[in-house]
Amino acid sequence: NAGVTQTPKFQVLKTGQSMTLQCAQDMNHNSMYWYRQDPGMGLRLIYYSASEGTTDKGEVPNGYNVSRLNKREFSLRLESAAPSQTSVYFCASSESSRTGRTGELFFGEGSRLTVL
Amino acid sequence: AQSVTQLDSHVSVSEGTPVLLRCNYSSSYSPSLFWYVQHPNKGLQLLLKYTSAATLVKGINGFEAEFKKSETSFHLTKPSAHMSDAAEYFCVVSAGTGRRALTFGSGTRLQVQP
Repeated sequence: NAGVTQTPKFQVLKTGQSMTLQCAQDMNHNSMYWYRQDPGMGLRLIYYSASEGTTDKGEVPNGYNVSRLNKREFSLRLESAAPSQTSVYFCASSESSRTGRTGELFFGEGSRLTVL
Repeated sequence: AQSVTQLDSHVSVSEGTPVLLRCNYSSSYSPSLFWYVQHPNKGLQLLLKYTSAATLVKGINGFEAEFKKSETSFHLTKPSAHMSDAAEYFCVVSAGTGRRALTFGSGTRLQVQP
């Protein structure tokens, strides 16, 4: 019963390096999300995908790219990491109701990224 | 447009005493409302949700919340705190579709003193 799986759990990068955070869900959900969590700021949406092949910018997309590879997988890429991207990153998925309303989010355990 | 305000960034209670975490929201649509809990170094887990059925919602671990439309509130309560309740709690409003559907509160950190 895996739910949402994120890798890696921890990563340290130097400024300018690139990396990809991987996320996979096994609940057959259409919608997937990437959030970042910073102290005192709650969760902020980076990117959103309503379905395979579609992505949309969230509140804080600058410096990130995403790929919705298939229904299960949604990856987040940092092309040139900056210290301001030090954060905890969460992937989530959800199914929508018949009215299209967003339902419960299921979260991964987070990826803790430090950029030096 | 929608917004969520968690009125307390930190709440401290003694074990065995009641818990009250306050959440106010605003929304142009009839919202769905959620409370999530996050234990240290963990992801967020759903505690309970309101989706236009009963206004008093019961969740896991003895938590409940009451949707009050007239007060635009969705406060989280528990009659008796346990040490294991120490965590961060997020109130979330869902009032649309797509990427703008969900808005998170900034969180309330609950401390439980022995």
